Amino acid sequence: EAGVAQSPRYKIIEKRQSVAFWCNPISGHATLYWYQQILGQGPKLLIQFQNNGVVDDSQLPKDRFSAERLKGVDSTLKIQPAKLEDSAVYLCASSLEPIAYEQYFGPGTRLTVT
Amino acid sequence: RKEVEQDPGPFNVPEGATVAFNCTYSNSASQSFFWYRQDCRKEPKLLMSVYSSGNEDGRFTAQLNRASQYISLLIRDSKLSDSATYLCVVNYGGSYIPTFGRGTSLIVHP
Repeated sequence: EAGVAQSPRYKIIEKRQSVAFWCNPISGHATLYWYQQILGQGPKLLIQFQNNGVVDDSQLPKDRFSAERLKGVDSTLKIQPAKLEDSAVYLCASSLEPIAYEQYFGPGTRLTVT
Repeated sequence: RKEVEQDPGPFNVPEGATVAFNCTYSNSASQSFFWYRQDCRKEPKLLMSVYSSGNEDGRFTAQLNRASQYISLLIRDSKLSDSATYLCVVNYGGSYIPTFGRGTSLIVHP
């Protein structure tokens, strides 16, 4: 079966610019996660969707980050405007259900903000 | 935010050694627990779930101690290919919101 797809794989932008990331989860997976992973740290959950509803977004910097999951399938994560500290890998993951199920991760988008 | 703590290491061990990692968590109402493996510049992948009764998969053994609020991972007969970062994950609350530790780096040398 196809895995979690993400695009782009790499992105370089200047601070104050905008950027968007796209994720297509595994077919049939109800739960979708967006993580930010800074070098040397573990993934930090930004937002968790169950179908197209938000389960948790307590660590999403809502003044600059936004995310949506239309029709409960694909999802986009946007940063506007970007700051230098947003440089990180943005990982998307999906799971069949959140309850004790394995998360499958996409390859990530490596963002560099200059 | 609930915390999940790991010793970042690195743990530098020879081939064939046994190595153990611990991960502590702060929320006593945690629901489920996992170990993930992450290779350099790659995405995390599930290594194993952690059950209350403990579980074993080949050279890997995971255990949960709810009273002391930690999970452990034991790797026996280490291989060069075990070199990676090992991330523990704790799911909280009724919606099983995941929190990752920062990871423990393992380097297995010849």
